[in-house]
Amino acid sequence: DGGITQSPKYLFRKEGQNVTLSCEQNLNHDAMYWYRQDPGQGLRLIYYSQIVNDFQKGDIAEGYSVSREKKESFPLTVTSAQKNPTAFYLCASSTSGNEQFFGPGTRLTVL
Amino acid sequence: RKEVEQDPGPFNVPEGATVAFNCTYSNSASQSFFWYRQDCRKEPKLLMSVYSSGNEDGRFTAQLNRASQYISLLIRDSKLSDSATYLCVVSDSGSARQLTFGSGTQLTVLP
Repeated sequence: DGGITQSPKYLFRKEGQNVTLSCEQNLNHDAMYWYRQDPGQGLRLIYYSQIVNDFQKGDIAEGYSVSREKKESFPLTVTSAQKNPTAFYLCASSTSGNEQFFGPGTRLTVL
Repeated sequence: RKEVEQDPGPFNVPEGATVAFNCTYSNSASQSFFWYRQDCRKEPKLLMSVYSSGNEDGRFTAQLNRASQYISLLIRDSKLSDSATYLCVVSDSGSARQLTFGSGTQLTVLP
């Protein structure tokens, strides 16, 4: 089945550690996005990529890094520089149109 | 001022009721408009796009007023399964098609 997968579903991290969240899509979409969602708030854009080997910072990129080596994959690394990383992380993809399809998300908790 | 503002609710309505959600956006250059639905601890899913002439999809009706920068969603004959958070989403005119999300309106339909 076509879709977007994210792993792991739940992730626990100690302070000071970097962690990488996986996002894979087999929809043949060019664009991919990373958002974070905090309780009672809307989604905020971290990074996005319109094409392989290219990505742009979103509104809250500090403390995060990404790569786009393959069309299907857009991993997000949460670095130790991110001061408040506990959140729900959502990956999305889209074609040249506007509709974005979301993966099931990863809940990151910093212990 | 938030770019996309919604009444957070919660809205608690009985089955069969009609309920309306409102949303305002600040960027007059916004090009596309959507309502997404998000179930508890799940990813957002597109409910419907919003067109200038207004559009209907079964029990759901969306309206757009560009002059007032106002979007609405009307749900008729509410079902228990309509219980969710409804996100108002606005897209800019840039090629990246970035989405700006409201913080959502929570709806609970009561038996």
